[in-house]
Amino acid sequence: DSGVTQTPKHLITATGQRVTLRCSPRSGDLSVYWYQQSLDQGLQFLIQYYNGEERAKGNILERFSAQQFPDLHSELNLSSLELGDSALYFCASSAHTGGGMNTEAFFGQGTRLTVV
Amino acid sequence: TQLLEQSPQFLSIQEGENLTVYCNSSSVFSSLQWYRQEPGEGPVLLVTVVTGGEVKKLKRLTFQFGDARKDSSLHITAAQPGDTGLYLCAGGSNYKLTFGKGTLLTVNP
Repeated sequence: DSGVTQTPKHLITATGQRVTLRCSPRSGDLSVYWYQQSLDQGLQFLIQYYNGEERAKGNILERFSAQQFPDLHSELNLSSLELGDSALYFCASSAHTGGGMNTEAFFGQGTRLTVV
Repeated sequence: TQLLEQSPQFLSIQEGENLTVYCNSSSVFSSLQWYRQEPGEGPVLLVTVVTGGEVKKLKRLTFQFGDARKDSSLHITAAQPGDTGLYLCAGGSNYKLTFGKGTLLTVNP
């Protein structure tokens, strides 16, 4: 158990809909990362928050947004969903901002999103 | 854009064999990590290397960070079926942790 909790574990929704994925980081970790994993693209970095502030942005679509709350949990909002958004979405947390020494990320079990 | 290229993409070997997988980039990273991922699960951190030329051993796994901090290798001795999984390398810099696409290793009994 990594200590990172993601809910829900599975989500099936229709095209055009909006969903929210939730992540609780490990106790004490200030950084939260969101990744999308599909078979052809591998693990794609979406966005990172550190102590409530956005720190880095990756290949995140404009239809997607995220935030980190004062209690450090994070939500990833996906809207106007398309079939191609079907993927595994992972949240990871680390104690540090990322990039420096000892940037060890701990991953949740992921949310499998299926858009039909 | 920082890219990490992993090779080979797929590797299928017999139990007891040795293997090496590679992670290469044109960029310098301040740290490099190796993760293993099993189907339906999140990646699990195996090791972090931060110093150029550093070698770390974890039981039958040996990790090396290149002198220029741009590449790394993972060597497994006497592979076992339990080593089967997706091995991912990740480079850290500028607040981002960038992952390679991984090497899918299958160890057959």
